Amino acid sequence: DTEVTQTPKHLVMGMTNKKSLKCEQHMGHRAMYWYKQKAKKPPELMFVYSYEKLSINESVPSRFSPECPNSSLLNLHLHALQPEDSALYLCASSQIGTDNSYEQYFGPGTRLTVT
Amino acid sequence: AQSVTQLGSHVSVSEGALVLLRCNYSSSVPPYLFWYVQYPNQGLQLLLKYTSAATLVKGINGFEAEFKKSETSFHLTKPSAHMSDAAEYFCAVSVDGNKLVFGAGTILRVKS
Repeated sequence: DTEVTQTPKHLVMGMTNKKSLKCEQHMGHRAMYWYKQKAKKPPELMFVYSYEKLSINESVPSRFSPECPNSSLLNLHLHALQPEDSALYLCASSQIGTDNSYEQYFGPGTRLTVT
Repeated sequence: AQSVTQLGSHVSVSEGALVLLRCNYSSSVPPYLFWYVQYPNQGLQLLLKYTSAATLVKGINGFEAEFKKSETSFHLTKPSAHMSDAAEYFCAVSVDGNKLVFGAGTILRVKS
């Protein structure tokens, strides 16, 4: 099973709302990632979790708060977002190695619209 | 810093024609390179990856890519395009921390 699942598929939220995106994988991967993808652009890395610990934060605003409750789950908590945060949010997972050779498996994404 | 450059933001081919999508990398060390495909409103699917085991890499859906160190290239090819190949294709390099750095992407259009 090489599937990464994400819920919800679509989310519309106001700027004062609090919502969460969820990601799950059952491949035994110990690295999980959040990416943001704007229209007609490549994905941009936001966060990396390695062994359930935050290892990389690409200077993401604090209105995005990641959480990794266990090795299979990854959440992204959203609060006080801006319209420019509207994008496709992608989750990915991979094995961890010493040489960066492992491929990442991506979920289908959550299409977020901030009104 | 390691990076990739995709030449051509849009490529158009006829059904049955050769597909060639270009990717050049910049790296001071042997890179790990990947090609991903993204269909509209979907996530990214891995087509193939280069990890130095072989310079010609075969992937899914009939795609392959050749690593050429002398040209710092990793171009993606398919002998005969199908309508279902129409999508956006991303070349990526893996850098420290298992981070993926993507190229800008190439949209492939297949004409009937």
